[in-house]
Amino acid sequence: AQSVTQLGSHVSVSEGALVLLRCNYSSSVPPYLFWYVQYPNQGLQLLLKYTSAATLVKGINGFEAEFKKSETSFHLTKPSAHMSDAAEYFCAVSERNNDMRFGAGTRLTVKP
Amino acid sequence: DGGITQSPKYLFRKEGQNVTLSCEQNLNHDAMYWYRQDPGQGLRLIYYSQIVNDFQKGDIAEGYSVSREKKESFPLTVTSAQKNPTAFYLCASRGDRGATDTQYFGPGTRLTVL
Repeated sequence: AQSVTQLGSHVSVSEGALVLLRCNYSSSVPPYLFWYVQYPNQGLQLLLKYTSAATLVKGINGFEAEFKKSETSFHLTKPSAHMSDAAEYFCAVSERNNDMRFGAGTRLTVKP
Repeated sequence: DGGITQSPKYLFRKEGQNVTLSCEQNLNHDAMYWYRQDPGQGLRLIYYSQIVNDFQKGDIAEGYSVSREKKESFPLTVTSAQKNPTAFYLCASRGDRGATDTQYFGPGTRLTVL
């Protein structure tokens, strides 16, 4: 069965520092992978997705993620954190039409 | 504007009462989903529907019920049988490109049992 594991429930970085949020997946077939962002008391918004095209995927707000099959990873990065990046981030995997599995989430704090 | 609306944003319920959460979409999507979100647990699937008049249980369907009488609407009823209903509930929809397609989320309803 497909699943995702997000390493670190809470990540704290300084403004301007690199953001790295980790996601590892488990899937019996080539997966489709997604990163979503959630601001307090709001729904989830898609940041980016991997659907078997380029392994380096660029998303909104300067985020990108690289699909590494050998490491079963899909880590999310941003070169320079901004205060507005503070939110909760969810990694998700989908391998069948109606079964998307979400990780437990990583809360990102950005310090001034 | 196309999107998903959920109402109400905040809902308070007394123990023993059933409550219904509304979810409407104008994206012309066939598939719709209900998730429950608790701190530190991510999103857990309650029910989903691929087409009108059809729906399937997700991982945590006990104590919940749904209907899908119209393509645009997928209301969720939290019954008195749900032992711990206080949570944030999210509705989502997805287009017909299957697993590669994005799920679009509504703004959520926060349910509190008093």
